[in-house]
Amino acid sequence: SAVISQKPSRDICQRGTSLTIQCQVDSQVTMMFWYRQQPGQSLTLIATANQGSEATYESGFVIDKFPISRPNLTFSTLTVSNMSPEDSSIYLCSVGQGALRYTFGSGTRLTVV
Amino acid sequence: KQEVTQIPAALSVPEGENLVLNCSFTDSAIYNLQWFRQDPGKGLTSLLLIQSSQREQTSGRLNASLDKSSGRSTLYIAASQPGDSATYLCAASTISSGSARQLTFGSGTQLTVLP
Repeated sequence: SAVISQKPSRDICQRGTSLTIQCQVDSQVTMMFWYRQQPGQSLTLIATANQGSEATYESGFVIDKFPISRPNLTFSTLTVSNMSPEDSSIYLCSVGQGALRYTFGSGTRLTVV
Repeated sequence: KQEVTQIPAALSVPEGENLVLNCSFTDSAIYNLQWFRQDPGKGLTSLLLIQSSQREQTSGRLNASLDKSSGRSTLYIAASQPGDSATYLCAASTISSGSARQLTFGSGTQLTVLP
């Protein structure tokens, strides 16, 4: 299965600033996904990152708040913009491969103060 | 819209016990169902993947079953160990409104195995 390198693993940020999270995959993948896991909650899909086109966002998530880049088939970034304490969460990237086995990055633990 | 429920939310057992974690889903038109393990503050580790055409999958002390018609999956852990302590998540793969296949997660079962 694919190996995903996600950076940073954690960060503490000031409110009003932005943080960009990176995911690098060791093989070319068609589908990359970004999830948020708020404290004590399960995972919620933010968006599907499509190579060569705009990301597809789920209900409740907008591009201005969570801009996503997907410049090639092995890399994607998620930016959390104009952060507030409510954005404190674990953010995870994921890829879907053959037989749709989903592999996840190790996550980015974000704390906004 | 797919909804996934996991019961119990938390479980504490003594070492050596066999245990069952339950997962139910509302839309039986799934492609597969996947069980994950999450350690505190960490990402997800895939444990078992059951395709919609399969009934069960086994890996070591873990066995997962799938009954699409009833919308249920179970994860059986044999001879539990303290190292099994983690949150276990099930996720169903279905077509989203955007046509991409996506995972819908349950809220997880937090397992504690006591030495």
